[in-house]
Amino acid sequence: KQEVTQIPAALSVPEGENLVLNCSFTDSAIYNLQWFRQDPGKGLTSLLLIQSSQREQTSGRLNASLDKSSGRSTLYIAASQPGDSATYLCAVGNTGNQFYFGTGTSLTVIP
Amino acid sequence: NAGVTQTPKFQVLKTGQSMTLQCAQDMNHEYMSWYRQDPGMGLRLIHYSVGAGITDQGEVPNGYNVSRSTTEDFPLRLLSAAPSQTSVYFCASSWRGNTEAFFGQGTRLTVV
Repeated sequence: KQEVTQIPAALSVPEGENLVLNCSFTDSAIYNLQWFRQDPGKGLTSLLLIQSSQREQTSGRLNASLDKSSGRSTLYIAASQPGDSATYLCAVGNTGNQFYFGTGTSLTVIP
Repeated sequence: NAGVTQTPKFQVLKTGQSMTLQCAQDMNHEYMSWYRQDPGMGLRLIHYSVGAGITDQGEVPNGYNVSRSTTEDFPLRLLSAAPSQTSVYFCASSWRGNTEAFFGQGTRLTVV
């Protein structure tokens, strides 16, 4: 069974700082990996999807990398803003759209 | 464009009652799935469907039933609610298995 771990569980940074969120998984036979954002009491918003054949994806201030052989992915957030405060979830995709989720990193950006 | 719509948003049930959580998507996605989110645990897959008429079990299927009679709808049925089913339930859809997944806003269910 795929196990997904996210470190750290919580992170607090001052506004403007660059930061990295980490995700590790135990089975490298994956289809894709997706990063989500979840605001309190809300659903999940897709941030980036990396296919298993890709090494990274970028969207605005976000960059996600994937290293299947080592079972790791990172989400890099540049120039953090208070509006980035949320929980970030890593999900490893299996066939048929079956995702295995980590427990998330709760990010607080202090103005 | 509504995306993935879940109803109701909140529900309180008594132990032993049954109910159906509704999920509808208007993106003509083939793949749909149900997850539950519990404190301290990642989202866990309950059931999923790769097309109308096709469903399969996920990681935690016991106590839940699904069917997929149309592309748009994927209801989740609780047969006899138990306090252990208190959770937040999310429905997701994607066009195919290796494409971006879209999630609904969730249904917060409390079983007393």
